[in-house]
Amino acid sequence: EPEVTQTPSHQVTQMGQEVILRCVPISNHLYFYWYRQILGQKVEFLVSFYNNEISEKSEIFDDQFSVERPDGSNFTLKIRSTKLEDSAMYFCASSDGVADEQYFGPGTRLTVT
Amino acid sequence: RKEVEQDPGPFNVPEGATVAFNCTYSNSASQSFFWYRQDCRKEPKLLMSVYSSGNEDGRFTAQLNRASQYISLLIRDSKLSDSATYLCVVKGDTGRRALTFGSGTRLQVQP
Repeated sequence: EPEVTQTPSHQVTQMGQEVILRCVPISNHLYFYWYRQILGQKVEFLVSFYNNEISEKSEIFDDQFSVERPDGSNFTLKIRSTKLEDSAMYFCASSDGVADEQYFGPGTRLTVT
Repeated sequence: RKEVEQDPGPFNVPEGATVAFNCTYSNSASQSFFWYRQDCRKEPKLLMSVYSSGNEDGRFTAQLNRASQYISLLIRDSKLSDSATYLCVVKGDTGRRALTFGSGTRLQVQP
């Protein structure tokens, strides 16, 4: 069964550093998403991406965040200057654009020290 | 008012029991509804979509009441492996794809 994959599984970085989280969505899917979950809190939407551009973003997705599809398979989330409060689990998801169901990757745990 | 509201639990039930979870949502224009399951420190996994007519998948039954903005999930014959957090998830208006998650209801099935 096709699945979303993410790398790395855990990333530790120092405050102020840039990080790039990587995702490979399901191959025939057209919509890609990033969500985050701070420990003990609910899953929150960050951004959706379709046809090589952002289609929707939340208030959390400010100027320190960016997304990119650098090639035909990868989808990345860049955090430019990490803050302590960026520590969270970041989930990538994808959907086929026909149905509304979204399928999530295993997540990257980001720890900012 | 929270966008998606769930009782956090925990619900502690014996194996074989029937358990029901409820959820309410605030945006009456919401289009699609789902139940996801999340194990500790893992990703949300789609359990089932919820349709207006109600739907069943094995031991799981989901119901939607648009008038009351209420969604339910019934689990029959609970198994130990059903222990997890159940997330009520709503997709907003047409044209928006973002999912809004509830905080989840924790289920612990005991032997």
